[in-house]
Amino acid sequence: DQQVKQNSPSLSVQEGRISILNCDYTNSMFDYFLWYKKYPAEGPTFLISISSIKDKNEDGRFTVFLNKSAKHLSLHIVPSQPGDSAVYFCAARGGSGNTGKLIFGQGTTLQVKP
Amino acid sequence: NAGVTQTPKFRILKIGQSMTLQCTQDMNHNYMYWYRQDPGMGLKLIYYSVGAGITDKGEVPNGYNVSRSTTEDFPLRLELAAPSQTSVYFCASSYPELTQPQHFGDGTRLSIL
Repeated sequence: DQQVKQNSPSLSVQEGRISILNCDYTNSMFDYFLWYKKYPAEGPTFLISISSIKDKNEDGRFTVFLNKSAKHLSLHIVPSQPGDSAVYFCAARGGSGNTGKLIFGQGTTLQVKP
Repeated sequence: NAGVTQTPKFRILKIGQSMTLQCTQDMNHNYMYWYRQDPGMGLKLIYYSVGAGITDKGEVPNGYNVSRSTTEDFPLRLELAAPSQTSVYFCASSYPELTQPQHFGDGTRLSIL
């Protein structure tokens, strides 16, 4: 039972264009969502997050949108740069108790072509 | 600050052997976690701890054990290694506040042959 899904295993975009990575979830109890970026042979690094009480959060080139009614969130990267090429994981937190546990999606590999 | 440090980076085990994956953090984080990542999959939680002396099971705890005797260290123990435990293991830590993200180590790549 996959509570967090990233249905696109890979995405390829041209440098300077917009990258849109998508994530769907099933558990309405999730109250916080995060995006992590992962390079090969490294651990995931935190990128941006959003609380369930908001519908948008922006940090420089990165914007996360949350549509609670559709149980969908997306990460927009504008403009995309070759250094953005990595695996992006969507993660959700929440439910009973505050243990900080995260549920991760499968990841989307982004390739930004020069 | 070193952040979250995991050792070893790579290890090959034979079926039935045991080993301990080490994890230490220098950020004074209360919460610590162990995840495994299989090829093409997301990270799955094995065990977590909300403070020294307190541990609890995550989504995939079978075949593993943990202990948390200090704030800094959270070792993961494999008692009888099985091929299904071949994976990349990540340790993470965080502050308790909901808005605080988890910080990850660079992982231990483990192969069971």
